This record gives sequence, C-alpha cells and structure tokens, in this order.
Amino acid sequence: SQQGEEDPQALSIQEGENATMNCSYKTSINNLQWYRQNSGRGLVHLILIRSNEREKHSGRLRVTLDTSKKSSSLLITASRAADTASYFCATRVNQAGTALIFGKGTTLSVSS
Amino acid sequence: DGGITQSPKYLFRKEGQNVTLSCEQNLNHDAMYWYRQDPGQGLRLIYYSQIVNDFQKGDIAEGYSVSREKKESFPLTVTSAQKNPTAFYLCAAGLAGQLFFGSGTQLSVL
Repeated sequence: SQQGEEDPQALSIQEGENATMNCSYKTSINNLQWYRQNSGRGLVHLILIRSNEREKHSGRLRVTLDTSKKSSSLLITASRAADTASYFCATRVNQAGTALIFGKGTTLSVSS
Repeated sequence: DGGITQSPKYLFRKEGQNVTLSCEQNLNHDAMYWYRQDPGQGLRLIYYSQIVNDFQKGDIAEGYSVSREKKESFPLTVTSAQKNPTAFYLCAAGLAGQLFFGSGTQLSVL
C-alpha cells in the first residue's frame, strides 16, 4: 500500500535556488516525516511534523502540513550541490503500529 | 548510518538458493524493519518486528522470512520462492518518530 506520493518525481535547480517538494497521503496520520537518501546509501531522517502542527523549520528546511488536504511540502532554501539526493515523505501505517510507509520520492539535482 | 550495520554490502544469489542478509543494531531499539527498494522507486515494507520473538508481515512478505531471537539482530532470508529478488535492501530500527537506517545490501541474481 502506498501512503505517500511525492511530487515532482525529479527536480533540477541551480545552486542558490529554493527547492520545493510535495507529498500527498491517503489516510489520517499522527505525524509525517521527511527523509533524505544519497545514492546507494541508507535514508537519513530530516524532520518530523505532527498532525497538530502547520509548519516547522530546521536550518534551511521548512516543512508545512495541511491535514485538510492531506498534503505536506518540504522547502530547501538556498540549495547547495551537496543537497543532491532523493527525498521521501513517510507516514505511520496505523495508530497502533510503528512501521512507516514511504512514498516513491523526489530526486533533487542541484548543479553548481 | 550510525548504529545499524548491514552485511554484506553486495550479495549474489544463484537460482534456487536461499540467502540471508544480516542486520545488527546497537541503538537498543525494540523495533526493527526490512524494506526493499527497486531502482527509482520508494521503499516497500517486507517485515517488521516490534519486540524480540515477534514479527509482522509487511506489504511484500511473500518469498521472504525473518527471525528476531535477539534485540540486536533481525536477519532477512530471501528464499528461492522470491522470483525477483534483485533489489536494494534496507534495514532500520527505531520508533515511529524516527527511523535509523543501515547502509543497505544490494542483492543481485547470477
């Protein structure tokens, strides 16, 4: 079952520009998380936003959550070449379980 | 990738062979997970375990088996019943608030 769907699938920008990725999900959630994956590596947790939060910041990252639209966005400001990676949103399977369901991801390419 | 060790990094399977992927954690988390990732795709949940001696099937458990005899270890066996095993396998540990991932095992069929 696919809970989250990221959009766009791929994004190419220049260094210094902002990158925005979107995630839509299907069922109610307690929280939504964003992860980053460098090519051929494991995922790294970036940020978590709870269902009662609308916006959260962490360094150059800004995450928003709209539970009425079942959607979230991840904004990376002033992108760097090192931000080149795939970004995934993830939500919990159900209220009792702890497993996360991931979307297909957005591949971000930042060129210098 | 700190705290989660996956081995080997690359693994090759012959036709009809079972292979086992290792996952060890030193983070003291009760819950551990196995995901499969195909090229250009997201992660799909194979199995997860919330406590020692207990595990649950994920979305694509057919052709796979797991055990959880120790808190630190959650090995995944890819059986001969899995007809399309070529993929990148990721192990993780943690709670719903944050997962910690290993660096993955790339499994290919000879």
